[in-house]
Amino acid sequence: GAGVSQTPSNKVTEKGKYVELRCDPISGHTALYWYRQSLGQGPEFLIYFQGTGAADDSGLPNDRFFAVRPEGSVSTLKIQRTERGDSAVYLCASSPTWGSGANVLTFGAGSRLTVL
Amino acid sequence: DQQVKQNSPSLSVQEGRISILNCDYTNSMFDYFLWYKKYPAEGPTFLISISSIKDKNEDGRFTVFLNKSAKHLSLHIVPSQPGDSAVYFCAGHNYGQNFVFGPGTRLSVLP
Repeated sequence: GAGVSQTPSNKVTEKGKYVELRCDPISGHTALYWYRQSLGQGPEFLIYFQGTGAADDSGLPNDRFFAVRPEGSVSTLKIQRTERGDSAVYLCASSPTWGSGANVLTFGAGSRLTVL
Repeated sequence: DQQVKQNSPSLSVQEGRISILNCDYTNSMFDYFLWYKKYPAEGPTFLISISSIKDKNEDGRFTVFLNKSAKHLSLHIVPSQPGDSAVYFCAGHNYGQNFVFGPGTRLSVLP
C-alpha cells in the first residue's frame, strides 16, 4: 500500500481481555517496528522485525506482549490479560531495510487502546 | 535511563521568527539523529536527519545542528509558520538496533 496501515484505529476493551493489533507496512519494506506512546511521552520501543524474525524484542514490557510477522509483511501485536496500564497508542513503522539510521521510519496513524 | 532528552515540553514562537528546539543525548554510539513531527491523531512523520559524522544538515526552512562533544543537537525552523505547530520528537539510532525517541516538544507558532 501507499502507507503504513494500522487496524483498528481505536479499541476499547475490559481488563483481562485479549487484544490483537494489526500492522500492514509499506510494500517491500523489510524492517517493521512497534512502538507504544503514552500520553505526554515519546514513542517507546517495543520490538522490531527484520523480515519474519524478531531482531530485537527487548522493549516488550512482559510476557503478556507478543508480536508475529509470519510472512515478512503484515505484523500482529498480541496482548494477553490486558491491564489498565496497557492503555496507550500503539504505533507501527516500517523502513526499506534495517541497520542504518539513514533508513527513515514511516509510521502508521496508530491504534489507540483503552483498557477499562 | 533516558537516552534522549528534550527538556522543554513546550515552546511558543511568533510567526516569521525562528524556532529552536533542543535535544540532548547520552548514548555516544548513536550513528544517526532524526527529527519527527507529529500532528494530533496522526503518526509521526519524518522531518530531517543528520549523520553523527556531520555537524549540520539543511533542508529548506529546517536545519539541524549537531554538537557531538556536548551530546546536543538542535532543530532550527526559519521562518516559522502556523502549520509548523505540532509536537517534535528527537530520535537517536544505534547501528543495527532500534530508534530511541525523546519525550517531545510541543511547538506553537502564533499568527
